[in-house]
Amino acid sequence: GENVEQHPSTLSVQEGDSAVIKCTYSDSASNYFPWYKQELGKRPQLIIDIRSNVGEKKDQRIAVTLNKTAKHFSLHITETQPEDSAVYFCAASRPSRGNKLVFGAGTILRVKS
Amino acid sequence: NAGVTQTPKFRVLKTGQSMTLLCAQDMNHEYMYWYRQDPGMGLRLIHYSVGEGTTAKGEVPDGYNVSRLKKQNFLLGLESAAPSQTSVYFCASSHPADSYEQYFGPGTRLTVT
Repeated sequence: GENVEQHPSTLSVQEGDSAVIKCTYSDSASNYFPWYKQELGKRPQLIIDIRSNVGEKKDQRIAVTLNKTAKHFSLHITETQPEDSAVYFCAASRPSRGNKLVFGAGTILRVKS
Repeated sequence: NAGVTQTPKFRVLKTGQSMTLLCAQDMNHEYMYWYRQDPGMGLRLIHYSVGEGTTAKGEVPDGYNVSRLKKQNFLLGLESAAPSQTSVYFCASSHPADSYEQYFGPGTRLTVT
């Protein structure tokens, strides 16, 4: 089955700097890759996603890149702000097979002001 | 539009007791999921359903049962709770025709002593 690895497990950046979180997946048939943000005690919320027919997607300060050949994808957050501090999870799925998400272990992002 | 709701929010069980967690969604979504979240391990899929009357096993189904008698509800049962089932349980739903996004409920924190 699918296996998703996520790095780093913790990341500290200064406010205004960029943050990059990387994930690799094992199942070459996976074709949907969402990123979720989870604040302490709250539910995961989708911040951006990408499908395998696209190499990059951007939404304001957040971007995701996908390398299908290498089977990895990354989340980029620019101009980080204290409210970006949270746990970020990547995931992979095959929507044609029930869209079952396999999550990475998560990255704790701390933005220091 | 309440989205995805979960009942109860918190519960403490003794080993061997049983309980049912209820997930409800008012978005007319076909797909529903139960995940558990443990520290340092991300979210793992327990069971899922691709439509009313259907259920299937996820990554970690042992010790749990589910039912989807109505499209809007997805029940997760623990027949004989064990301390290893102490976790935060999240329900999610999605509609394959709309997008692949999964919408999460607020979670149920379960402690088994």
